[in-house]
Amino acid sequence: DQQVKQNSPSLSVQEGRISILNCDYTNSMFDYFLWYKKYPAEGPTFLISISSIKDKNEDGRFTVFLNKSAKHLSLHIVPSQPGDSAVYFCAASGWNYGGSQGNLIFGKGTKLSVKP
Amino acid sequence: KAGVTQTPRYLIKTRGQQVTLSCSPISGHRSVSWYQQTPGQGLQFLFEYFSETQRNKGNFPGRFSGRQFSNSRSEMNVSTLELGDSALYLCASSLADRSGKEYFGPGTRLTVT
Repeated sequence: DQQVKQNSPSLSVQEGRISILNCDYTNSMFDYFLWYKKYPAEGPTFLISISSIKDKNEDGRFTVFLNKSAKHLSLHIVPSQPGDSAVYFCAASGWNYGGSQGNLIFGKGTKLSVKP
Repeated sequence: KAGVTQTPRYLIKTRGQQVTLSCSPISGHRSVSWYQQTPGQGLQFLFEYFSETQRNKGNFPGRFSGRQFSNSRSEMNVSTLELGDSALYLCASSLADRSGKEYFGPGTRLTVT
């Protein structure tokens, strides 16, 4: 059973417009939610995270929104740039998950294409 | 600081063989986790080591094992390779704080023929 879901395998956006990537989760014990970006032949790179006690975190062009009642989070990229084209993974971590440091549970990723 | 390094970057093995992959974490990071990435399953957690002890384990068969050395470097081993083990194996290190933030290496691309 997937605990972290990214239902859109791909997203295409025009340069300069907003990209919105969505993620749903099922486990209310998750403490932190993270977004990673991955280029081909490279490991995932941390982008931005949010604690479960917050509903918004912003870092430059990237903003993550968390709706705990809906168990939903989204990543907004404004404005989108061609260099943002990559696979974006949503991940969740829970300190008490499994009784130890929570390891990351990843969604399957959304491939973002930003067209010039 | 140098990032997470993984060796080798690419590997081709034959079904039935075994393989060992190596990971050097960021200096000061004591936690090392391993993940398997495949096109169909995404990134799946294999196991985590902290101070030479396996602290968490994912849902993989016993053919997958690992260890961590006193300098925090880690190795993972896959015995009796199967075609389905072809994947990108990613190592990540962290400070093991509550944020869950992990830093990934470039991965080892394993192909089993």
